[in-house]
Amino acid sequence: DAKTTQPPSMDCAEGRAANLPCNHSTISGNEYVYWYRQIHSQGPQYIIHGLKNNETNEMASLIITEDRKSSTLILPHATLRDTAVYYCIVRVAGGGSNYKLTFGKGTLLTVNP
Amino acid sequence: GAVVSQHPSRVICKSGTSVKIECRSLDFQATTMFWYRQFPKKSLMLMATSNEGSKATYEQGVEKDKFLINHASLTLSTLTVTSAHPEDSSFYICSASHRDKPVYGYTFGSGTRLTVV
Repeated sequence: DAKTTQPPSMDCAEGRAANLPCNHSTISGNEYVYWYRQIHSQGPQYIIHGLKNNETNEMASLIITEDRKSSTLILPHATLRDTAVYYCIVRVAGGGSNYKLTFGKGTLLTVNP
Repeated sequence: GAVVSQHPSRVICKSGTSVKIECRSLDFQATTMFWYRQFPKKSLMLMATSNEGSKATYEQGVEKDKFLINHASLTLSTLTVTSAHPEDSSFYICSASHRDKPVYGYTFGSGTRLTVV
């Protein structure tokens, strides 16, 4: 799986958009970009994933650059409950023992009142 | 949909005893389940991968005789920490791959906080 680079921490004001960057310059053509988050003392939660097109769901938007070497997760209106560690993971799509999910250090997003 | 239930959420045990942690996929069949361990302020570390009806595959450095994994059905996997010691105190998390929707990634349980005293 391609490696990713994320800033260790970010701050965001409540109600503002949170933009979390991720670099994945060695991504392969068949690898997706996945985002998960982990709120303190809970299991990770799936947020969104994409291959090359921008994606949006009820939680967030994912913007992937045209060369696919980086992406940005956007939380449009951050709330205090969005304070968590956000993980950007790049891997091929698929389930099963050949498709492990490997976590890096992620970005600790702190939403401030 | 795609809910994974993990039980117990917290457990305290005495050194030398064994502890079993259950991971159930409630509304889907899980082809594969994964077990992670997380120490304070660290990221998740994959311990092992289990497929229904077959032996688990352990990551390098993880003792298979200490961390027993059983995946008897498509909805249940268990992790037993045998002869637990204080250094086994950690946050254990399971995840499951949806058999019919693998592209959507994995669903995680809420974790088990194990404290060995």
